[in-house]
Amino acid sequence: EIVLTQSPDFQSVTPKEKISITCRASQYIGSNLHWYQQKPDQSPKVLIKYASQSNSGVPSRFSGSGSGTDFTLTINSLEAEDAATYYCYQSSSLPLTFGGGTKVEI
Amino acid sequence: QVQLQESGPGLVKPSETLSLTCTVSGDSIRGYYWSWIRQTPGKGLEWLGRMYGSGYPNYYPSLESRLTISVDTSKNQFYLKLTSVTAADTAIYYCARDHGSGSPFDYWGQGTQVTVSS
Repeated sequence: EIVLTQSPDFQSVTPKEKISITCRASQYIGSNLHWYQQKPDQSPKVLIKYASQSNSGVPSRFSGSGSGTDFTLTINSLEAEDAATYYCYQSSSLPLTFGGGTKVEI
Repeated sequence: QVQLQESGPGLVKPSETLSLTCTVSGDSIRGYYWSWIRQTPGKGLEWLGRMYGSGYPNYYPSLESRLTISVDTSKNQFYLKLTSVTAADTAIYYCARDHGSGSPFDYWGQGTQVTVSS
């Protein structure tokens, strides 16, 4: 099983700040890493697919980078609506696995 | 517009079987992979298993002995059956779709809370 380790677990920020969330895979997964945003009482929504491809309709302040085992989600100029928990997810091999999540408080 | 809707009992007794249905609207269930995912405060998001159309299912290894996922293409529904449930199976259960080949889940249901308690 591929373990995804996210950091930090929690981050408190102010509007317009820039944050980076990292996700490290326990083995090579190429670019099969996706980022989800989940707001309270909602299902997760995909922000970034295949490590760096923005999903349709996602604001340009969200970006992803990395390949292999180390990945980063960057949010530039945070807005109040970005308060959420962010998860990485790997689709490289079964069982499919998620990172533990990073809660962003604004 | 593709929509997924989970349904099933919100309360299940320990040692009994949890059965959930995911009804898909707006697209055919054929040609996609359909997964069940659950979420708990303690373990976060956990993929349980998936099925492609009417093919063979894949399960999370530690649940394989208790879990059955099936599809009914005529009803555009897929199903989860989890036997011998315990309090550890208390979670929000989601159904979700992906296109295979490493693609992310693009559509999710709203989730259904299942509590295991006597």
